Amino acid sequence: QKEVEQNSGPLSVPEGAIASLNCTYSDRGSQSFFWYRQYSGKSPELIMFIYSNGDKEDGRFTAQLNKASQYVSLLIRDSQPSDSATYLCAVNPTGGGNKLTFGTGTQLKVEL
Amino acid sequence: NAGVTQTPKFQVLKTGQSMTLQCAQDMNHNSMYWYRQDPGMGLRLIYYSASEGTTDKGEVPNGYNVSRLNKREFSLRLESAAPSQTSVYFCASSEGLAGVREFFGPGTRLTVL
Repeated sequence: QKEVEQNSGPLSVPEGAIASLNCTYSDRGSQSFFWYRQYSGKSPELIMFIYSNGDKEDGRFTAQLNKASQYVSLLIRDSQPSDSATYLCAVNPTGGGNKLTFGTGTQLKVEL
Repeated sequence: NAGVTQTPKFQVLKTGQSMTLQCAQDMNHNSMYWYRQDPGMGLRLIYYSASEGTTDKGEVPNGYNVSRLNKREFSLRLESAAPSQTSVYFCASSEGLAGVREFFGPGTRLTVL
């Protein structure tokens, strides 16, 4: 079982819709969770991080964390073609110190 | 303020050749990291340095060495390149705990023939 799992996609949504990206993790003691956006040929960019159960909103982005179910999700409201990218979920596992474990990413396509 | 810089951007090596990938950050971050990214494999940590003077192995350290030259610079060396090391290499830095305001460099695309 991979430590951090994501559906590779592609996930296609129409412009203006809500895109929902999901991630599950295996280490129940994980404390910190991150979402990165990576455009094709570019480096990852941190867009959200969350530590506590519940929702965290930043503009059109909402991160949701459910530690009991061991999943974290990213919602993108009013999706735009510029949101088309690969979204990487990353987890700081128990005893991980300064290390992150990344999922393989979900490709999102926002269609006109 | 350039953030995280990496050199070179592209490199082609022959099997058995050696090279050093350079990384520097100007954000006064304590922690620095080297990742490789392969299709379908995601980002995998090669080595990291929690602070100046310390380095530690990540998930895939075999075939690589690192040097934390000072607080700004963290280099990755391939002593004898192999085709399996063909990948995109990213350097990253953070203030402290991994991922909090972590910044990635633009990457080095390495091909080993």
